[in-house]
Amino acid sequence: TQLLEQSPQFLSIQEGENLTVYCNSSSVFSSLQWYRQEPGEGPVLLVTVVTGGEVKKLKRLTFQFGDARKDSSLHITAAQPGDTGLYLCAGGKVSGGSYIPTFGRGTSLIVHP
Amino acid sequence: KAGVTQTPRYLIKTRGQQVTLSCSPISGHRSVSWYQQTPGQGLQFLFEYFSETQRNKGNFPGRFSGRQFSNSRSEMNVSTLELGDSALYLCASRPRGDYGYTFGSGTRLTVV
Repeated sequence: TQLLEQSPQFLSIQEGENLTVYCNSSSVFSSLQWYRQEPGEGPVLLVTVVTGGEVKKLKRLTFQFGDARKDSSLHITAAQPGDTGLYLCAGGKVSGGSYIPTFGRGTSLIVHP
Repeated sequence: KAGVTQTPRYLIKTRGQQVTLSCSPISGHRSVSWYQQTPGQGLQFLFEYFSETQRNKGNFPGRFSGRQFSNSRSEMNVSTLELGDSALYLCASRPRGDYGYTFGSGTRLTVV
C-alpha cells in the first residue's frame, strides 16, 4: 500500500500571506495530482505532474514534483479567502492501463479576510 | 460539457437496509471509480470499472458491490447497512490515458 503523508494537517492564515503544503511518500509514483475540495462537494482537479523535478504554475499556485517522484509541494502566493478548502494530493502507478491513486488525508486551509 | 452526476445527493437509511447509488460519468469517459470519504479515514478506494468490467477493488467487505452499464453509467450497492457506512460516497471518471479524475458532488449517506 502506498502511503501519502500531507503536512501540515491544518493551516489558518491571513489574506495576503504565502504558504506551502507538502506531500511525501516512500513510494515512487507514475504521476501525482493535487485537488481542492470544498465542504459538501467532490474534489476538483488542480494539476497533474508526471516528470521528476517538474514545476507547474496555476495563477498564484505553484506545484512541484520531487526529482525522485516520491514527493510534491504546493505553494500559494498571496492567499485569498477563495483559496479556503481542503487540499488533497493523490499519487499512483499505472498498471495494465489502470491507475488507482492513493489519497493523502489532506491539508485544511482557512484564509481569513 | 456536463460533469459527473451523482444521485441522490443525500440519503438517510436505517441499519440493516440496503442502498443503491448512481453515477453518470462525463460523456466519453469509460473509466469510473468509486471512493468513500470519512473524516477519520479520508478517501478510500472502493472500485474501478472500465467497459462494464470491474478492474480493481479496494479493501471493503462484500456488502459493497457495484456494476457498470454499457453506457458507462455506474451504480454501487451497499447491503445490510451499518452505522460505520455513513460517509460521502464519491464517483469519479477519467478519460483513457489521463491520470486526473473528475469527481461528482457525491452522495451523503447517513445510517441511523
